[in-house]
Amino acid sequence: QSVLTQPPSVSAAPGQKVTISCSGSSSNIGNNYVSWYQQLPGTVPKLLIYDNNKRPSGIPDRFSGSKSGTSATLGITGLQTGDEADYYCGTWDSSLSAGVFGGGTKLTVL
Amino acid sequence: QVQLVESGGGVVQPGRSLRLSCAASGFTFSSYGMHWVRQAPGKGLEWVAVISNDESNKYYADSVKGRFTISRDNSKNTLYLQMNSLRVEDTAVYYCARSSPTDYWGQGTLVTVSS
Repeated sequence: QSVLTQPPSVSAAPGQKVTISCSGSSSNIGNNYVSWYQQLPGTVPKLLIYDNNKRPSGIPDRFSGSKSGTSATLGITGLQTGDEADYYCGTWDSSLSAGVFGGGTKLTVL
Repeated sequence: QVQLVESGGGVVQPGRSLRLSCAASGFTFSSYGMHWVRQAPGKGLEWVAVISNDESNKYYADSVKGRFTISRDNSKNTLYLQMNSLRVEDTAVYYCARSSPTDYWGQGTLVTVSS
């Protein structure tokens, strides 16, 4: 049971937009920055979004992040088959004094 | 370029110990906090531990607290994870990652705890 809650799976057609939610509490998302990671099959997790909505260099602007209260959202526009991957949200939990991840969301591009 | 290379994984019996290393290069290691994150086969990411750049602060997941110790040697640009009293459920790929943000990850080292 993860501290952060993500939907197990989402799907959309190529070219469409999808959003992935990440729900937490005041001790984690509510008072700390959120990061998002993409893990393509058989590869190392890759940072997509940090500090709620910032993109590292090299990450296309098709990927966006937002936060409201105790929830965060990853948005992906112009879906490509190459976007099929597991996506994880992560943040710090001030009550646990520990890092926490969501359970992951598998994106299928139909 | 930034590189993080983990080593020290392998097969170990329950109750035994193992020490993982993460060799860093391409950046000023002593300026960054570092994390260990693990991923059990077919499962999601699980945060394990973090250490500040000067080793003054260390935090652990409840699942490893009291059994694992994170440390670093800034003179050797190396991060460590000492894992004692290993359990079957500690079986996972262990990644080191630079903080913050966690923008660089190593390739991971597989730890298998099995009798």
